[in-house]
Amino acid sequence: EAGVAQSPRYKIIEKRQSVAFWCNPISGHATLYWYQQILGQGPKLLIQFQNNGVVDDSQLPKDRFSAERLKGVDSTLKIQPAKLEDSAVYLCASSLDLAGTAGGYTFGSGTRLTVV
Amino acid sequence: AQSVTQPDIHITVSEGASLELRCNYSYGATPYLFWYVQSPGQGLQLLLKYFSGDTLVQGIKGFEAEFKRSQSSFNLRKPSVHWSDAAEYFCAVGIGSTLGRLYFGRGTQLTVWP
Repeated sequence: EAGVAQSPRYKIIEKRQSVAFWCNPISGHATLYWYQQILGQGPKLLIQFQNNGVVDDSQLPKDRFSAERLKGVDSTLKIQPAKLEDSAVYLCASSLDLAGTAGGYTFGSGTRLTVV
Repeated sequence: AQSVTQPDIHITVSEGASLELRCNYSYGATPYLFWYVQSPGQGLQLLLKYFSGDTLVQGIKGFEAEFKRSQSSFNLRKPSVHWSDAAEYFCAVGIGSTLGRLYFGRGTQLTVWP
């Protein structure tokens, strides 16, 4: 089966610019996650979707970050305006069910963002 | 607050030696437990998971992990390490009250000497 697809792989932007990341989950996976992984740390959940509804966005900095999952499939994460501390790898993951009990979570390769 | 502790930031072992990576969590009930591996420039790959039942879990690539409720631990082991096992390893915890959210440790970087 195809994995979780993410694009772009790398992005370099200046602070205060905007940027968008795209994710296509595994076909049939209802739950989609965006994680932020800062260098030297474990991933941290930003937002979780169940189909096209938001389940958890408590850790999303909503003044600058936004995400959507139209039609319950692909998702886009946007940062506007970017800050230096947003430099990180942004990982998208998907799972069949909410708790990942059916098969665990499958992660994409991530988008490495550098803000200069 | 929930937390996951991986006390070893960096571990170095010789090829063929045994390996144990430590993971402790703080949560009242039994959580869902995972180990992931991440190679440079790659996403996280699931090694194994524990939800319930037998506390010794077998995973891919010859890895196993043991859940010890009394110690709130879920340590990862491999009897004989291969050079290709060099990567970063993350322990993660999921809990019922926040379905889906995984709490990750900071990771343990594994270096394998030939």
